[in-house]
Amino acid sequence: DAGITQSPRHKVTETGTPVTLRCHQTENHRYMYWYRQDPGHGLRLIHYSYGVKDTDKGEVSDGYSVSRSKTEDFLLTLESATSSQTSVYFCAISVAENQPQHFGDGTRLSIL
Amino acid sequence: QKEVEQDPGPLSVPEGAIVSLNCTYSNSAFQYFMWYRQYSRKGPELLMYTYSSGNKEDGRFTAQVDKSSKYISLFIRDSQPSDSATYLCAMSASGGFKTIFGAGTRLFVKA
Repeated sequence: DAGITQSPRHKVTETGTPVTLRCHQTENHRYMYWYRQDPGHGLRLIHYSYGVKDTDKGEVSDGYSVSRSKTEDFLLTLESATSSQTSVYFCAISVAENQPQHFGDGTRLSIL
Repeated sequence: QKEVEQDPGPLSVPEGAIVSLNCTYSNSAFQYFMWYRQYSRKGPELLMYTYSSGNKEDGRFTAQVDKSSKYISLFIRDSQPSDSATYLCAMSASGGFKTIFGAGTRLFVKA
């Protein structure tokens, strides 16, 4: 299994609170991604990173920010959580663009 | 219209059956095609990765790509109860970071 650890694995929080999810990899891959997975929508890209301090937006980036200060860590922050951000969040890594992505086991986030 | 269409199922088959899973897509620029398997409460796991058209076989799994029809398939031979999972197709174009995923097909293999 690819060395990807997501934390926390589960979180319940209230609307309006800030939330940070962490993805840690031990593979030294350059590319890292954050997705959300919702029934009927599949995996949708939130943000991605192509190097330390190099990030860009995906298709559903509104309300989310990311940071990558080290190769191994990619943080996803919900500045002010809303109920529409209740979802399962997956981190993925790849060695290069167009190479297959490998996924962590996800964070289940519930916003009440 | 979604860029990638995948029947959500569920698909239920008896143990030992041949399973056919399919996706259609609209973007002719896609050249990299993947199939992932996802068990409940786990992350997607890469099963097959192919470039351009043709077939690729790995054990009981065969992936087919027909770019002229914009259609990809995953065949599972001698299906087992342990194959019960959601199967996601995915694809991307050259020079891009963006991989598009299908919504997944739920498969149940009955013992």
